Amino acid sequence: KAGVTQTPRYLIKTRGQQVTLSCSPISGHRSVSWYQQTPGQGLQFLFEYFSETQRNKGNFPGRFSGRQFSNSRSEMNVSTLELGDSALYLCASSPGSTLLGAFFGQGTRLTVV
Amino acid sequence: KNEVEQSPQNLTAQEGEFITINCSYSVGISALHWLQQHPGGGIVSLFMLSSGKKKHGRLIATINIQEKHSSLHITASHPRDSAVYICAVSIQGAQKLVFGQGTRLTINP
Repeated sequence: KAGVTQTPRYLIKTRGQQVTLSCSPISGHRSVSWYQQTPGQGLQFLFEYFSETQRNKGNFPGRFSGRQFSNSRSEMNVSTLELGDSALYLCASSPGSTLLGAFFGQGTRLTVV
Repeated sequence: KNEVEQSPQNLTAQEGEFITINCSYSVGISALHWLQQHPGGGIVSLFMLSSGKKKHGRLIATINIQEKHSSLHITASHPRDSAVYICAVSIQGAQKLVFGQGTRLTINP
């Protein structure tokens, strides 16, 4: 079966703009979680959705938001982009109500200039 | 102090050597994951452990819940094993993963 699909793979935006990233989970998976990876901070948890409900959120400002649709696809939005938002954004999907058995997408590399 | 600590941060070895990467954590967990990240960013989940030991090909992962420690071993290492290996824990009672800083492994032919 198809893996986790993230679009777009690469993105360049200017400061102050907003961006929306998409994640399509593995068919049948209901949990989608998002992570930010930077050279300085490593991987950090952003938020997790299950059945369209956000269940947990990491320590990120309110400019970072997300949602999940009824087909389990998820979007992540970052408003008022800052240079420090440049990162690899990864999503992972898992079949049930926990993060056990998570599969990761290839990521979206966002560059803010 | 980070909740998940990995060692070493960097490891260079010759092809064929036995590799060990360590992970210690300080929180209650429901599971521990070992992930592999190749240049370009894609992450592959290698193992998910809640107790004992798992083996997949040349890779072996162990976890000691009492000592809050896990190890990833690679036998007969090969240059294609060169990657960043990341330990992550699922926090007990919370729906999130916390990651170690990763171990950059380079296997020279």
